[in-house]
Amino acid sequence: EAGVAQSPRYKIIEKRQSVAFWCNPISGHATLYWYQQILGQGPKLLIQFQNNGVVDDSQLPKDRFSAERLKGVDSTLKIQPAKLEDSAVYLCASRIPGQGMNEQFFGPGTRLTVL
Amino acid sequence: QKEVEQDPGPLSVPEGAIVSLNCTYSNSAFQYFMWYRQYSRKGPELLMYTYSSGNKEDGRFTAQVDKSSKYISLFIRDSQPSDSATYLCALRAGGTSYGKLTFGQGTILTVHP
Repeated sequence: EAGVAQSPRYKIIEKRQSVAFWCNPISGHATLYWYQQILGQGPKLLIQFQNNGVVDDSQLPKDRFSAERLKGVDSTLKIQPAKLEDSAVYLCASRIPGQGMNEQFFGPGTRLTVL
Repeated sequence: QKEVEQDPGPLSVPEGAIVSLNCTYSNSAFQYFMWYRQYSRKGPELLMYTYSSGNKEDGRFTAQVDKSSKYISLFIRDSQPSDSATYLCALRAGGTSYGKLTFGQGTILTVHP
């Protein structure tokens, strides 16, 4: 079974530029998550989707971050304009929905450096 | 106060040592308790999970949950250099189908031969 795919793996931009990350979840996983992991910290949830609908974006800085999952499969996360404090690893995860212990599977992440 | 606090800070131990990792939490709504392992430049992968208080053992790993004290632990016996990684506790509330995880800040473990 293929895992969660993310691209690019690394990105270096200057502040005030824009950047986009792509995620392809595991086939059949209706729930998709984007996390931000700053160096030395645990992942922090930015947004989660159920199919193509947003179910939680309470921690997404909406003035600069946006995300979409138009067809309920792939997802993109965009930052515009980027700030120095956005330097982090952006992790995508997916899961089969349900109240039981359905595991969240993580992709390898995109490491963003903002100069 | 953070919802989840993880101890200790970076840990360096000799091969064969017993390692103890801990998290405390403040939200009594958390019902699922997980430990993830994250190797350098990789995404987290689920190591163990428990639901409700008690112990769970899997090989050299033991997870403990004490809901009355809001305290969870992971023990690693006979630690190996291949155990060197960041260990993250992750907690999830019950009664939701969306599976949002709240993570601790992680403990970097180095096991030296």
